[in-house]
Amino acid sequence: DAKTTQPNSMESNEEEPVHLPCNHSTISGTDYIHWYRQLPSQGPEYVIHGLTSNVNNRMASLAIAEDRKSSTLILHRATLRDAAVYYCILVPVQGAQKLVFGQGTRLTINP
Amino acid sequence: KAGVTQTPRYLIKTRGQQVTLSCSPISGHRSVSWYQQTPGQGLQFLFEYFSETQRNKGNFPGRFSGRQFSNSRSEMNVSTLELGDSALYLCASSLAGATGEYYGYTFGSGTRLTVV
Repeated sequence: DAKTTQPNSMESNEEEPVHLPCNHSTISGTDYIHWYRQLPSQGPEYVIHGLTSNVNNRMASLAIAEDRKSSTLILHRATLRDAAVYYCILVPVQGAQKLVFGQGTRLTINP
Repeated sequence: KAGVTQTPRYLIKTRGQQVTLSCSPISGHRSVSWYQQTPGQGLQFLFEYFSETQRNKGNFPGRFSGRQFSNSRSEMNVSTLELGDSALYLCASSLAGATGEYYGYTFGSGTRLTVV
């Protein structure tokens, strides 16, 4: 399973943008980059995913490096409810029957 | 629509006992996966079922087993409980098809198992 590397923790202030980095230097051409987050006392929640191009949805944006060896999850305006552990996961296009979670990044939002 | 439902939410068992956890997936989802979450090991994949067949299994001892019913509901069983089995057990369902293509997972809130 291809691995990802994320900082253990990050801190930001409410209403400011947050950029969460992820390195995946061994990514293969058929791996999607997925982000999940886990709020306290809940199961993980899907945030966003992409293959090559940058992606936007109502929750966040995903910026993917041209060589695909790194990506950044962008929360445009953090709220206290965004405090969670964020996981960057590589998911093969086919045969993806499991998610391999790393340790993730614990994001703290200061009021 | 209803999310993934796991029961019970909390459970306390004694070493040596066995336990069965239940998961009801989102309607229409045929793939159900189970994960164990502990402070030391993080989130680890246990197994995945699709149409009542186990398609993939993680690196856990044979004491951990599961099954899926024709309505896609799933159960996991842990026999001869050990203290180290204390964890949050999470179930996730997906629209994943017969060839394993990925459509994203929706997780339940988990069952917190404490072994004493």
